[in-house]
Amino acid sequence: RKEVEQDPGPFNVPEGATVAFNCTYSNSASQSFFWYRQDCRKEPKLLMSVYSSGNEDGRFTAQLNRASQYISLLIRDSKLSDSATYLCVVRTTNTGNQFYFGTGTSLTVIP
Amino acid sequence: DAGVIQSPRHEVTEMGQEVTLRCKPISGHNSLFWYRQTMMRGLELLIYFNNNVPIDDSGMPEDRFSAKMPNASFSTLKIQPSEPRDSAVYFCASREAQSTEAFFGQGTRLTVV
Repeated sequence: RKEVEQDPGPFNVPEGATVAFNCTYSNSASQSFFWYRQDCRKEPKLLMSVYSSGNEDGRFTAQLNRASQYISLLIRDSKLSDSATYLCVVRTTNTGNQFYFGTGTSLTVIP
Repeated sequence: DAGVIQSPRHEVTEMGQEVTLRCKPISGHNSLFWYRQTMMRGLELLIYFNNNVPIDDSGMPEDRFSAKMPNASFSTLKIQPSEPRDSAVYFCASREAQSTEAFFGQGTRLTVV
């Protein structure tokens, strides 16, 4: 079983729409959670960390459900510039402090 | 800071040849990761170093792959002999001890023909 699983999409949404991505992780001992963004033919870059109480950064809201081992990312008022692949990332310290990446969810925001 | 620097950016080689990918982590970062990214499998962790010591190489696909980190500012990933199925983008990332963020290099796009 993969450490992190995501729906690959693609998600094609109109500008202004709200879109949500989900992710599940398999190791209940995982301690840190993140969303990374990867533009086409570029490297992944940190979008935001995910905290237990949930956190918001502008139009982006991240949620964590430890009981269900589930992470989500909500994007409100989508912009064309939000088009990218969003990677769910889990850091697991009991297996060597590694970062495990999901395969990513592709988002295209359409004018 | 120049960020994580990888070289070459692109590599095209013939099957059977040796390929060496290079990475310079961000100064002061003590963790270094090598990842491989393909459309089918996404981003896969190959090996992880902490303070120049390999911690977990369970992601290295087979004996043809090897990685070294002779000092804190340099790491290599070698494939010998290369095969067409090794074609992928190889990313190096580094992280400092007290941080949770990993910074990626721009990647090396490897094509084995």
